[in-house]
Amino acid sequence: GIQVEQSPPDLILQEGANSTLRCNFSDSVNNLQWFHQNPWGQLINLFYIPSGTKQNGRLSATTVATERYSLLYISSSQTTDSGVYFCAVGANSKLTFGKGITLSVRP
Amino acid sequence: NAGVMQNPRHLVRRRGQEARLRCSPMKGHSHVYWYRQLPEEGLKFMVYLQKENIIDESGMPKERFSAEFPKEGPSILRIQQVVRGDSAAYFCASSPAASYNEQFFGPGTRLTVL
Repeated sequence: GIQVEQSPPDLILQEGANSTLRCNFSDSVNNLQWFHQNPWGQLINLFYIPSGTKQNGRLSATTVATERYSLLYISSSQTTDSGVYFCAVGANSKLTFGKGITLSVRP
Repeated sequence: NAGVMQNPRHLVRRRGQEARLRCSPMKGHSHVYWYRQLPEEGLKFMVYLQKENIIDESGMPKERFSAEFPKEGPSILRIQQVVRGDSAAYFCASSPAASYNEQFFGPGTRLTVL
C-alpha cells in the first residue's frame, strides 16, 4: 500500500513564528488532505489539495504530485494552532494517514 | 448544513458486551468511511460503504466487527464481544461522490472497554 511520511515528528514554536510541515508519499494519488487534530481529538479539515496551491488565512498548502510531496505552511502561529497535523492520501477512496506532526506553540 | 454526526460521543462497555457506533453522513453524501485511531498506532482505514453496499472492507478485523449503511438511517459499526484492545477513537467520514472524494470527518466516538 501507499506509504506516507511526515516530518518533523515534533515541532515547538514561539507564538508568531512561521513553520513548514512536510508530507512525502510513495505512489500516485488522487486525494490528499491535511487535517488538524485539536486537543479535544476532533479532526478538522484544513485542505483538500491533490495538486496545486491553496491558501486559507494564515495557512497555505502546496502539493507537487509529480514529486510526491505536499507542504503545509503556518504563518504567524498562535497557541490555538497547537495539536497534531495529519497528512492523508488516497488513490482508490480510502485514505492512508501519516503518523502526524505534533505542534506546540508557546505564548 | 450540518456536518457528519456520530453518536454516542463516548461509549463505555465491559469485556464481552456489544458496541454499536452510529454515523449520519452530511446531507447529500452517499459514501461513508470508518477509521480507527488506536493509541500509538495512528489513524487506520477500516471500511468504505455506499447505501446498502460494502465497497471495501480491507481494513476490518476478520472477526467481531461488522458495518452496514442501510437505505434509510445511519451507518452502523458493530463490535461484538468487545475486548480491551478495541478501546480507541472511531471516526466516520463522508464524501459526496466518487468523482469528488474529499472526505469530511465526524467528531468521533471514543470507546472504552473496561
